[in-house]
This record gives sequence, structure tokens and C-alpha cells, in this order.
Amino acid sequence: SQQGEEDPQALSIQEGENATMNCSYKTSINNLQWYRQNSGRGLVHLILIRSNEREKHSGRLRVTLDTSKKSSSLLITASRAADTASYFCATDAPDRGSTLGRLYFGRGTQLTVWP
Amino acid sequence: DGGITQSPKYLFRKEGQNVTLSCEQNLNHDAMYWYRQDPGQGLRLIYYSQIVNDFQKGDIAEGYSVSREKKESFPLTVTSAQKNPTAFYLCASSSGFSGRARNEQFFGPGTRLTVL
Repeated sequence: SQQGEEDPQALSIQEGENATMNCSYKTSINNLQWYRQNSGRGLVHLILIRSNEREKHSGRLRVTLDTSKKSSSLLITASRAADTASYFCATDAPDRGSTLGRLYFGRGTQLTVWP
Repeated sequence: DGGITQSPKYLFRKEGQNVTLSCEQNLNHDAMYWYRQDPGQGLRLIYYSQIVNDFQKGDIAEGYSVSREKKESFPLTVTSAQKNPTAFYLCASSSGFSGRARNEQFFGPGTRLTVL
């Protein structure tokens, strides 16, 4: 079963609006990461937040992490048409012994930003 | 240019044939991964390798095989035993292990495999 699950599955907004995507996970983590995937391409790492951090910023991206609720959110401010892509959260699983190093990806949120 | 490459970009296979997907990285990363992506299903881990000459099964290893003879190369063979191989295959690499260092993964551009 997948560790992370994104919500919503699809999000459609106008340029200039903010986009918020959520991720829930099941077990303890060392860190949580967000990735972006343009259609038919590989994933690109956006931002990593450690379990002892609550909020992190990178440009127009803001990520929050609530370990008590096992959830994270990704906020893209002032969205652009070029932000149209799928966004995935990924978690590690430090308590899973031999699976050290692997990430668990959710199914992703498909974001469409209309010009 | 540092990065991770996959070839070919598109691959067509007849039923009953084995095919090998190439993955090469020049990032000097220890760990490499193979994922399968189907529409609406996200990424599922096929195999991963944390060091040369060692690899572990992921969640959907049946019908696939890998080798890790060199640090920079991690080829994936899709065998005839894989019943539904049509999918988008992604290779990734990372430098660190969970808890010890950032385990950010770097992805290749993917190979789209279609079984005819």
C-alpha cells in the first residue's frame, strides 16, 4: 500500500490564484518531499521538509508539515499556466528496516492552471 | 552535463519477447531505482539497488529482472512473464539513505513501453 496519498486528485484554477494540495501518510517519517511531473516526463524534485520542521518556503512554494496529523500541504502562490503538471508527495519510512533509502509516492494531484 | 538518462524513449515489444530498458547516471549516486507508472496510479517501485552488485525487490517485481554490475548503470529487463507490461517506466537515483542524508531522487525522462 502507498505511504502517501494526495488530495485532491485533480485541481483546476485560473492564473494568479493559489493552489493548495494536501498529502496524508501513514507511518513515521524522517522527511517528506514534493515532486512535480510534466506530462510524459520524469519527476523533478521541488522541496524537502524534515520531520522536525513545520514550514518551508522556496520561491512561490510553501510546504507545511504536521507530524501529529501525518499530513503535509503544498501551496503554490500566484499560479501560472506553466505550473500545470502533476504533483506528488513522497515519504521515506525509517522504521522499515531493509527498505532504507526508498521513497513511497502517492498517486498525485493533477493541477491545471488556465490562462 | 550531470544527470540520469534512459533509453530508448519509446519501445515496442511483441508479446513473448524480453526487452531491456537502459538507465545510466553520472551523478556518482550509490542508489538507483526503477518505477512503473500507469495512468492514475502514481509510481510503483519495481526494484532498487543501494550499492553495486546488490538489489532488492520492490512492490511489483514479478516479471522483471535487474542487474547492478556498475555504479552508473541499472538496466531493467521486462520478461515475457510480465503479463501487462505496457506502461511508462522511470529510473531514478539518489546519493543518500533515509535518515543519513537527503534522499532526494533524480529521475530520468522515462521509457514508454508498448506491447503490440
